[in-house]
Amino acid sequence: NFMLTQPHSVSESPGKTVTISCTRSSGSIASNYVQWYQQRPGSSPTTVIYEDNQRPSGVPDRFSGSIDSSSNSASLTISGLKTEDEADYYCQSYDTSVSVFGGGTKLTVL
Amino acid sequence: EVQLVESGGGLVKPGGSLRLSCAASGFTFSNVWMSWVRQAPGKGLEWVGRIKSKTDGETTDYPAPVKGRFTISRDDSKNTLYLQLNSLKPEDTAVYSCTTFRYTSGWSDYWGQGTLVTVSS
Repeated sequence: NFMLTQPHSVSESPGKTVTISCTRSSGSIASNYVQWYQQRPGSSPTTVIYEDNQRPSGVPDRFSGSIDSSSNSASLTISGLKTEDEADYYCQSYDTSVSVFGGGTKLTVL
Repeated sequence: EVQLVESGGGLVKPGGSLRLSCAASGFTFSNVWMSWVRQAPGKGLEWVGRIKSKTDGETTDYPAPVKGRFTISRDDSKNTLYLQLNSLKPEDTAVYSCTTFRYTSGWSDYWGQGTLVTVSS
């Protein structure tokens, strides 16, 4: 099985751009799709990116996802940061019989 | 509108058992793979297991921490997903949520609100 490692926390100012990384421990990051979920306090997770770089309807295009095989990592980039983007973000990937979540990244917008 | 509503959580002693339910509506439940995800207080998300549709064999998979203790099942006639929790440990204390599960990508596109399981003496 593999692990997904995320930074514990990131912070940035409103209007700026932030990138959250998700590094896969073994196996290729490109071999399985990566999803990104946003979780605000007291709420269930919602999807901001699925299948590496797809946005569900209703998610603004300020959110984008990418894969980098050279670093074996996925990234979530949020541009034009708003205070409402402050939340925990989790990456997730699935390999045949196991689904793995990253440890989560707390995004602070200040 | 897709709805997933969990129930059955509560306080249980270590070593005890509990069965959680997830009532699904707004989609063709029998066609969909389903999963359970838990979140311990103040901690991150943890995948608890997945069940395929009957058409795909209704097979299950679990991560190591719960394998042999937890069992996922489904009743398509009742549009209900179950999670049987046995030999519970304090570290199983968490909010348990059911999700739909896209077999092509592992994407959990719909989530329930969760039900809290507390394991304590």
